[in-house]
Amino acid sequence: DVQLVESGGGLVKPGGSLRLSCSASGFTFNNAWMSWVRQAPGWGLEWVGRIKSESDGGTTDYAAPVKDRFTISRDDSKNTLFLQMNSLKTEDTAVYYCTTDGGYNGSPWGFQHWGQGTLVAVSS
Amino acid sequence: QTVVTQEPSLTVSPGGTVTLTCASSTGAVTSAYCPAWFQQKPGQAPRALIYDTSNTHSWTPARFSGSLLGGKAALTLSGVQPEDEAEYHCLLYYGAARVFGGGTKLTVL
Repeated sequence: DVQLVESGGGLVKPGGSLRLSCSASGFTFNNAWMSWVRQAPGWGLEWVGRIKSESDGGTTDYAAPVKDRFTISRDDSKNTLFLQMNSLKTEDTAVYYCTTDGGYNGSPWGFQHWGQGTLVAVSS
Repeated sequence: QTVVTQEPSLTVSPGGTVTLTCASSTGAVTSAYCPAWFQQKPGQAPRALIYDTSNTHSWTPARFSGSLLGGKAALTLSGVQPEDEAEYHCLLYYGAARVFGGGTKLTVL
């Protein structure tokens, strides 16, 4: 079975940094594109960004609100996805989910599997 | 910035039919946006229901269907069950970017 387990969330002050991890199992992680999605309390889902597989270039794309502050990376040797968050703002407070992202738009693999999420709270 | 709009809330009676829609600020939604739909219940992660406009996953109940309707993506529930009460999110693909709608809270009453 596919499993995605996020960790690293917590309380951080505005301007601070945090690094989230997502441990993956049950599928060939190094072939998978992966995304981070967040959900502020009481709000809808917001796509944060995506990383392609290394075989597809390993490139990243980000949503405008986090571009230049957040960085997605991966360690295929450890089946782990990361989200480095810098210059955090109060509006970054949310549950952060890692999820599979299809290798092409409309893929059945896209957003098919989700972790349980990890809460990031940005407050002074 | 691209905005994807859903009805904030809808109410349906058990056994009834309801259609949720998903609109794009850039214009008509077409199959090129590969609309996807997700169900989310309180305290749970989202669950994928529909991908690429109208394709269902193996676990998607047959009463759920996806389509394009009047320039929007649509999710139709036919023969609604009490357990369908949930938040429903749509997703559109804009090239490398993905944009979720604000979600529709569906009440079964």
